[in-house]
Amino acid sequence: QPVLTQPTSLSASPGASARFTCTLRSGINVGTYRIYWYQQKPGSLPRYLLRYKSDSDKQQGSGVPSRFSGSKDASTNAGLLLISGLQSEDEADYYCAIWYSSTWVFGGGTKLTVL
Amino acid sequence: EVQLVESGGGLVQPGGSLRLSCAASGFNFSNYGMNWVRQAPGKGLEWVSYISGSSRTVYYVDSVKGRFTISRDNAKNSLYLQMNSLRDEDTAVYYCARDLPDDSGHHYWGQGTLVTVSS
Repeated sequence: QPVLTQPTSLSASPGASARFTCTLRSGINVGTYRIYWYQQKPGSLPRYLLRYKSDSDKQQGSGVPSRFSGSKDASTNAGLLLISGLQSEDEADYYCAIWYSSTWVFGGGTKLTVL
Repeated sequence: EVQLVESGGGLVQPGGSLRLSCAASGFNFSNYGMNWVRQAPGKGLEWVSYISGSSRTVYYVDSVKGRFTISRDNAKNSLYLQMNSLRDEDTAVYYCARDLPDDSGHHYWGQGTLVTVSS
């Protein structure tokens, strides 16, 4: 079982909200980790969006709009990325990552389609 | 301005070797750990290796242990990845990235260099 699991795809309408999940493997407590989120558009570098561990330990990436936010769902052991007010330019791949056991682990990524 | 510029990619046969370089500028290179991250064509991101600023600490993903070696030359502001015994599955764009996101919310990545392992 992978360390981080992300749904392969997600679709939402312009103006709506999108909720991305990043589920940590059983036995790895989401509360312990900073969850990092990246956006990657085709042919471009990954762009750092934000990190979230708790409301007192979070960071917005430089220049990243506040409509991108992070949270956690302890009941499902998942990190969450929320995008409100979806725009067509938000269409991209989204990756979560954690620093785990002296390695940096990425989720498989979720492709967001805005339609 | 922080810049990371990778070089050294190319076409290599299975079992061959390649050395990637990453030239850093715009920051105090020796103060930062550095990573190599790769992305196979049409696939997701995969972290490959990390080296601390002093080179005392290095980490690798299991799939490259014993084949890849990360190193750095702080006098030359350069990061390296020596890749030996290359396999088809090592085909990817290789990015160097500075440590983790910094306190100002920046995470710096190079543009990447393509490594193609094929006969």
